[in-house]
Amino acid sequence: NAGVTQTPKFRVLKTGQSMTLLCAQDMNHEYMYWYRQDPGMGLRLIHYSVGEGTTAKGEVPDGYNVSRLKKQNFLLGLESAAPSQTSVYFCASSWGQGARYTFGSGTRLTVV
Amino acid sequence: QQPVQSPQAVILREGEDAVINCSSSKALYSVHWYRQKHGEAPVFLMILLKGGEQKGHEKISASFNEKKQQSSLYLTASQLSYSGTYFCGTERRGGGADGLTFGKGTHLIIQP
Repeated sequence: NAGVTQTPKFRVLKTGQSMTLLCAQDMNHEYMYWYRQDPGMGLRLIHYSVGEGTTAKGEVPDGYNVSRLKKQNFLLGLESAAPSQTSVYFCASSWGQGARYTFGSGTRLTVV
Repeated sequence: QQPVQSPQAVILREGEDAVINCSSSKALYSVHWYRQKHGEAPVFLMILLKGGEQKGHEKISASFNEKKQQSSLYLTASQLSYSGTYFCGTERRGGGADGLTFGKGTHLIIQP
């Protein structure tokens, strides 16, 4: 089925550990986004990409890095995890401005 | 700056109507509406574009007041399946596809 796939679905990290979240889409979308969702805060944009090889900072980029080496994949990295990064992370993709977003099923990350 | 949604929560009986509002301080290109059920990804409902064009769900309607930068989502004859959290997301004018800014959400509970 066409859509956005996120891996892993759940992860527990110790403070200071690193990890990479993978987002893959098969809709040939140019634009991809990483959001975090915390209780009562809605979804906040971490980083985004407007095409292969490009990335840009969103509203809450500190502590995260991203890469888009292939058009279909958008990676989110945490170099040194902190408890404040405990959250649910959603990836989304779209055709561009004015186009609907398709979201992945999310990654629930806990940092202890 | 996140758009402001109101009300924060609504409890309805099945068959009743609901209106959810979204207000932004920025000049907008579009307003998106998504519904999220607990533990799931946000699902697209509607896009309202500057100029009046609407794209989205057949059974849900919405309006966009470009002068006031406000949008409203109308849910008529609500069904149990309408329960969930509703988010508006805004695209600013002149921002390209630099990511939706989401409100904090409106929790909708439909009781039988």
